[in-house]
This record gives sequence, structure tokens and C-alpha cells, in this order.
Amino acid sequence: NAGVTQTPKFRVLKTGQSMTLLCAQDMNHEYMYWYRQDPGMGLRLIHYSVGEGTTAKGEVPDGYNVSRLKKQNFLLGLESAAPSQTSVYFCASSPGRGFYNEQFFGPGTRLTVL
Amino acid sequence: SQQGEEDPQALSIQEGENATMNCSYKTSINNLQWYRQNSGRGLVHLILIRSNEREKHSGRLRVTLDTSKKSSSLLITASRAADTASYFCVLSSNTGKLIFGQGTTLQVKP
Repeated sequence: NAGVTQTPKFRVLKTGQSMTLLCAQDMNHEYMYWYRQDPGMGLRLIHYSVGEGTTAKGEVPDGYNVSRLKKQNFLLGLESAAPSQTSVYFCASSPGRGFYNEQFFGPGTRLTVL
Repeated sequence: SQQGEEDPQALSIQEGENATMNCSYKTSINNLQWYRQNSGRGLVHLILIRSNEREKHSGRLRVTLDTSKKSSSLLITASRAADTASYFCVLSSNTGKLIFGQGTTLQVKP
């Protein structure tokens, strides 16, 4: 099993450009999450999904959109990138609700917005 | 802030020594988890301790939880260079979301 994979690993954008980050998991997990990690800070939840076709806002959702059309995939979109969105983005999945289950993390995507 | 506050922020020890990291929090929790993050990598789950548990072991890891003091500690015994990483205390809140602390950076010198 590959676990949780993320595409791409690195990306540089100019302000105003758009992009989509792809997360895929092969563990048949119901729950999926997108986090961002900034220097000196813990992870902050952007959006999450409790199952195929569902999405919900996390702690810092502004400027991001998500979609979960297939159970194994969770997409994070930036419609108009801003320098404040420079960060490392992590996707995670869990078999059930996060507080009863461990979360499995992908390797991260390092995004720089110029 | 609802997040856990880890102490110390950075810790440097020699291989073979024990490493202790502490986490204090203010909110009510369902359980508390510890994760490890190696440099440039994703987080890896280490251990979960429920709010009605006081101590839990996993290999060289020992976690304690004192809900009356709202604190937890992670002890790594007989540390190895491969234990060099950041360690995060993660609170499981009543809303069902995980709340991450800022982490403790551990360096184990060979």
C-alpha cells in the first residue's frame, strides 16, 4: 500500500495564479483532511471531508476550496494564490473521526507564492 | 488558545539518554495523541491516550496524562539518533477535530 500520497511535492506560483493539490489514499478511509504548516506553528486544519461527496470547513478555510468526488481522492484548490498562502500543505486520512483514530499523513507539498 | 503548549520547545541530548517532553492544555479533551515529524516529512502517529487513562506504553515510549492538571508527558527512553525529530502533542476536542501544538524539536547526538 502506498498510504497517503500528495501531488505535486513542490510548486512555485505567482500571486493571482490558481492551482490544485491532489491527495490520494488507498486505505479505504472515510475521513480526509487538509492542513497547512507554517514555521514555528503546529498544523492548522483548512478543510476536511467525512465521506465521498462531503466537505466541511476547518480552522483556516478562507482562500481555499476542496472537493471529494471519489472516496480515495481529496483535492485542495487555490483560486487566486496570495503570498500568505506560502506554506507546507499536508493531507491526512483516518478510518473514522479524528479523535478516535490516528491520522495517516502524506509527505507534504511545499508551496511558495511570489 | 485551545492548542497544547509543548515544553521545552527544543531539547538536545546524547544518545542513550532519556528525553521528556511535556504538553499542557486548557480545554476539555476526549483524548490526546502524540505525533512525530522527521525533517521535511509528514507526521507519524506514535500513541493515543484516552481521557480516562493515566499511562500508556509503546516500545520505548511512555505517555502519561493528568486531566486534573491538564497536562501530558512523552518519555522516550534510551534515545537513538533516529529519534531526532519534532514531536507534537495533539488534542482531540469535543468538536471532533484535532488541535496541534507547536511541537518540541528533539536532537539526539550520536
